Amino acid sequence: LAKTTQPISMDSYEGQEVNITCSHNNIATNDYITWYQQFPSQGPRFIIQGYKTKVTNEVASLFIPADRKSSTLSLPRVSLSDTAVYYCLVGDNDKIIFGKGTRLHILP
Amino acid sequence: EAGVAQSPRYKIIEKRQSVAFWCNPISGHATLYWYQQILGQGPKLLIQFQNNGVVDDSQLPKDRFSAERLKGVDSTLKIQPAKLEDSAVYLCASSLFQGLSYEQYFGPGTRLTVT
Repeated sequence: LAKTTQPISMDSYEGQEVNITCSHNNIATNDYITWYQQFPSQGPRFIIQGYKTKVTNEVASLFIPADRKSSTLSLPRVSLSDTAVYYCLVGDNDKIIFGKGTRLHILP
Repeated sequence: EAGVAQSPRYKIIEKRQSVAFWCNPISGHATLYWYQQILGQGPKLLIQFQNNGVVDDSQLPKDRFSAERLKGVDSTLKIQPAKLEDSAVYLCASSLFQGLSYEQYFGPGTRLTVT
């Protein structure tokens, strides 16, 4: 299974756009890229998933370049409540592996 | 729509004791997962069920951990005997589609402390 590399932590301010980049150099042809969000004392929550180019939903956008070796999760106009751990995962055949994620801290 | 239910939410036991966790997935979800999340780490998959059957239990410490999913709905995860290193949050998740599905719905977890 492909591994992912993402920053351990990031700080940003309320109202800013936050971009978290994930590297997955060994992604396989069939792998999708998925992002989860986890608040303290809660289980992870699915945010967005994509295969190529750009995907957007009501929460975030996911940008995937043509070579698919990286991806960027974009959170528009963050608020304090977006403080959480964000996991980038690649998966195949219904199996995903969580890394340590990126701890995003939003400051007032 | 009700989410994934887990109980208990917290459990404190002494080492060498036994403990069981219960999970009720979202209605209609064929796939059920148990994860172990140690503080500061991402969740680690312990076992995956597809309906009644086990799809993957490669990371389940089978000498002390066991899990079952009766009638393809509820599931229980048991630890017997517990060790100090089993202190973690145990997460249950379920998903709708069989096969390619990365949108898993997680329960709130059970925080286990082994003393």
